Amino acid sequence: DAGITQSPRHKVTETGTPVTLRCHQTENHRYMYWYRQDPGHGLRLIHYSYGVKDTDKGEVSDGYSVSRSKTEDFLLTLESATSSQTSVYFCATGTAETYEQYFGPGTRLTVT
Amino acid sequence: DQQVKQNSPSLSVQEGRISILNCDYTNSMFDYFLWYKKYPAEGPTFLISISSIKDKNEDGRFTVFLNKSAKHLSLHIVPSQPGDSAVYFCAASELGGSQGNLIFGKGTKLSVKP
Repeated sequence: DAGITQSPRHKVTETGTPVTLRCHQTENHRYMYWYRQDPGHGLRLIHYSYGVKDTDKGEVSDGYSVSRSKTEDFLLTLESATSSQTSVYFCATGTAETYEQYFGPGTRLTVT
Repeated sequence: DQQVKQNSPSLSVQEGRISILNCDYTNSMFDYFLWYKKYPAEGPTFLISISSIKDKNEDGRFTVFLNKSAKHLSLHIVPSQPGDSAVYFCAASELGGSQGNLIFGKGTKLSVKP
């Protein structure tokens, strides 16, 4: 268990509003990831980070931005939420030594 | 185009019998494969993995088989238990790709009936 927490766990917001999701880890893992899970799509990578201030885009990055100002925190921001961003968002961490990733409990986001 | 495919959305098995979950991939550069298990309202948890240099890896009731020529892997659970009921995701990582980036299949929902 990598000691990963996500906040908030649930959020309902309106179209056009900004939203920030937070991921916090206590394991000092170098890599952090944001995924979204949607029915019929499995888990899709949004953005990832390979170190403080080092981030890159994943498969479905449009409409999302991220920031990592310290090792333990990885923020996902929806600048202007849309209904297509209604999803369950998972944060994960990983190390340079293995391929395994450790997932947080998820954030259910509903955009109305 | 899907690089990792789990063609069975669901599977139902009787308790005590074998569960076989299948996964196909298209990218020959994948060199490491993982299975994750996910319960409702929880994050996925790592179950078992296999490197492309092996064809089998076993951990208790769970065994993963890799057939590189067929680009196919399978997860065997023996014996199946009701607590194994969950969604199982197959994932793959590419040799030389961005460190640790995993490509996931869409998942197979396993139901183990008592």
